[in-house]
Amino acid sequence: ELKVEQNPLFLSMQEGKNYTIYCNYSTTSDRLYWYRQDPGKSLESLFVLLSNGAVKQEGRLMASLDTKARLSTLHITAAVHDLSATYFCAVDIRRNNNDMRFGAGTRLTVKP
Amino acid sequence: EAQVTQNPRYLITVTGKKLTVTCSQNMNHEYMSWYRQDPGLGLRQIYYSMNVEVTDKGDVPEGYKVSRKEKRNFPLILESPSPNQTSLYFCASSLGAGELYQPQHFGDGTRLSIL
Repeated sequence: ELKVEQNPLFLSMQEGKNYTIYCNYSTTSDRLYWYRQDPGKSLESLFVLLSNGAVKQEGRLMASLDTKARLSTLHITAAVHDLSATYFCAVDIRRNNNDMRFGAGTRLTVKP
Repeated sequence: EAQVTQNPRYLITVTGKKLTVTCSQNMNHEYMSWYRQDPGLGLRQIYYSMNVEVTDKGDVPEGYKVSRKEKRNFPLILESPSPNQTSLYFCASSLGAGELYQPQHFGDGTRLSIL
């Protein structure tokens, strides 16, 4: 059975701290996406990772992909309150077909 | 403004009464998709479409129908809604598959309550 597992599901951090969210998936895929969802809002694309070893950074967020380990990480550096949201990873399980599977999401709360 | 528009945003209805949630995008995207979001389960793909007249089942297609007669529209049809279809639904679109892949653009969501 295909699984996309995120850890942790809930994360409470102090401002200024660093932390990593993990996304493990159980099928072969070289396309992984990270999305952000604010409460009551739609999803916003953060990163698209298209190959093994891909690393992308935007502000305090950095995402990486290891296709051999079937693992992606979303690293948060010096967290600020504005990063509070739910973060989803998603895997494209059929290349070129956009058959997407999402993780359950990580609800991040950054406290002052 | 580039956007994915869903209607209605909120709907409360009763079991068995057919309903349609419309989705329209103005970006000339080839790929469109429907998801449902339930607490603790993330987003689960219902159906997707690679282009006009091309649709395929996602992870949880049971109880749903779709059609893609025009590039810009991708309605989601619940022929006989049941309470377990109470959920938050999102429509999404992207430029296309393959090497042109772009991230998906999501609509604002439709909250359905089936009593």
